[in-house]
Amino acid sequence: EADIYQTPRYLVIGTGKKITLECSQTMGHDKMYWYQQDPGMELHLIHYSYGVNSTEKGDLSSESTVSRIRTEHFPLTLESARPSHTSQYLCASRQMGQGAQETQYFGPGTRLLVL
Amino acid sequence: QKEVEQNSGPLSVPEGAIASLNCTYSDRVSQSFFWYRQYSGKSPELIMSIYSNGDKEDGRFTAQLNKASQYVSLLIRDSQPSDSATYLCAVQNNAGNMLTFGGGTRLMVKP
Repeated sequence: EADIYQTPRYLVIGTGKKITLECSQTMGHDKMYWYQQDPGMELHLIHYSYGVNSTEKGDLSSESTVSRIRTEHFPLTLESARPSHTSQYLCASRQMGQGAQETQYFGPGTRLLVL
Repeated sequence: QKEVEQNSGPLSVPEGAIASLNCTYSDRVSQSFFWYRQYSGKSPELIMSIYSNGDKEDGRFTAQLNKASQYVSLLIRDSQPSDSATYLCAVQNNAGNMLTFGGGTRLMVKP
């Protein structure tokens, strides 16, 4: 079972607010990822990290930012939320290795609605 | 051309039938392949991983890999209504640090 957590699970917020979506994992995984997914649509990678102090932008341009100060924690921040940011945000983590060690686990997701 | 391609469906099968889900990928040197199941409104969960050519069975699920044809499939035997979900194919990149996901195939199992 995956030990990866996301808070909040649901968030309704007004335009212009600053928000931080939390993601933490207790598996000691080096690699962590943020995906954005609209209902019935594809997963889009927006940020990833290969370790502490390492962050990169993903395939989909995003106005969000991330940080990786601790191995277990990979928060995503939106400085000024807009209705176009309404989506589901999924955090994931994995460890390099062989076989089952490569498995990527997803958190439960945060559903964001910006009014 | 997308790196990982799946038919979006929906694929509709009757209860008890075999559901066959297909995926093609473009990176010839890919070595690791994964199938995830995603229920509506939920996050993806891993069903199967496969690394070698041939078949790998786990309960009602069988993953098949053909690296020469750059093709990976998932068979679900004795399909149940609870199998109705979107199935995502994922391929590990050459550097081994990233998964590329297909768009997913929506499966509907009708009672």
